[in-house]
Formats: sequence, C-alpha cells, structure tokens
Amino acid sequence: SQTIHQWPATLVQPVGSPLSLECTVEGTSNPNLYWYRQAAGRGLQLLFYSVGIGQISSEVPQNLSASRPQDRQFILSSKKLLLSDSGFYLCAWTSGGAYEQYFGPGTRLTVT
Amino acid sequence: DAKTTQPTSMDCAEGRAANLPCNHSTISGNEYVYWYRQIHSQGPQYIIHGLKNNETNEMASLIITEDRKSSTLILPHATLRDTAVYYCIVRVAGAGSYQLTFGKGTKLSVIP
Repeated sequence: SQTIHQWPATLVQPVGSPLSLECTVEGTSNPNLYWYRQAAGRGLQLLFYSVGIGQISSEVPQNLSASRPQDRQFILSSKKLLLSDSGFYLCAWTSGGAYEQYFGPGTRLTVT
Repeated sequence: DAKTTQPTSMDCAEGRAANLPCNHSTISGNEYVYWYRQIHSQGPQYIIHGLKNNETNEMASLIITEDRKSSTLILPHATLRDTAVYYCIVRVAGAGSYQLTFGKGTKLSVIP
C-alpha cells in the first residue's frame, strides 16, 4: 500500500533562518506531488506541484521554493524565513489522472 | 473550477445521520464533485467523489441533484470521530487538472 511521510512534524525557526521540509512517498511510482500551506484558521493554499523529477510549477510567488530530486521525494525550502511563513505545511500525492489526492501528516512551522 | 458554497458550521447528534449540503450552481458538465474532510491538526482525507449519479462507499454517500447545482454528503451514523471540517470541491478530473481549491468548508461537530 502507498504511504506518505513528512518531517519534521513540528518546527520552530527564527526569522531569517533557512528552511527545508521533506516529503517522501512509498508504494507508488511517478506520482504527482503537491505542497500546500494552511495558515491558522484559513483554508489550504496550493504552493507547488510536480509531475516528474525536476519539474516544478509554482502557484504562488513568494520566498519559498520546491525541488524534486527523486521520483518520490519532494522538498520545500526557503533561504530566509518570514513571520508570514508560519503555518501548517502539507504534502500530497496523486497518480496521474486519479480522482483523489492523499495527504501527509503535515509539518507545523512557527516562525518567531 | 466552479465555486462552492457551504454552511460555516453544523451540529449533529452522535448516531444520527449528518447531512452536509453544498451549492455549486456554476458547475460545468465535465466537473466532478469531491468531498474531503480535515480532522484537527491532520492532513485532509478524501471521502468520496461523483459526477452526476449518487455514490456510496464505506465512509459516506453523495447525493447530487439532477441539475447538478447542489449536492449533499451523508454520514449515515455520525460518531465523535467524524468531528471535522468538511470540504466540498468541484473540479475537472484527469491529467492536467492538478489543483484542489479548498474553501472554508463546514465545521461539523458531533455531539454526544
């Protein structure tokens, strides 16, 4: 069966520090991968999606970036965090053309 | 993607059926209705989807009106673990349709 992992589960970082969040999927190949962010009390916002290795599409311009170095690995990064980057970051996957997306457990990021 | 309208919150007694409505009056012919839910501090969970016929799975039933302008998600016997925010999403399925646009959803509280 397929599983999706995210780490770390929680993170507290100072303003201006770098960020690296990792997501991996097991049990499938060539998945579409997604990064979402959910600010406190708000809905989910799609940040990036990827249909293959090295292929990244950005939905919202900001100081975050994403990379997909391997088929089932998706990384969210920032060189300098802002207070507004605080939130709940969710990774999701789907097989191409499938009807549903499967979400990971999320990373709760607090920028202080 | 068509816009959806859901009530902000609903209560349901434990053991009773929970009926969650969703309006999507601008839905187009090739758009599906999806339902997800998000339990507090977890990633969203896919529940069910449909095009025009009513659908049922082990989690819920989806009733779509004949004109497809509204739908109802039914949890037949709500339990305390069904307390969550429920999202109704309308989008085109298949390759090239990557983004799930989550609105604010309906916060369902199941009461003992």
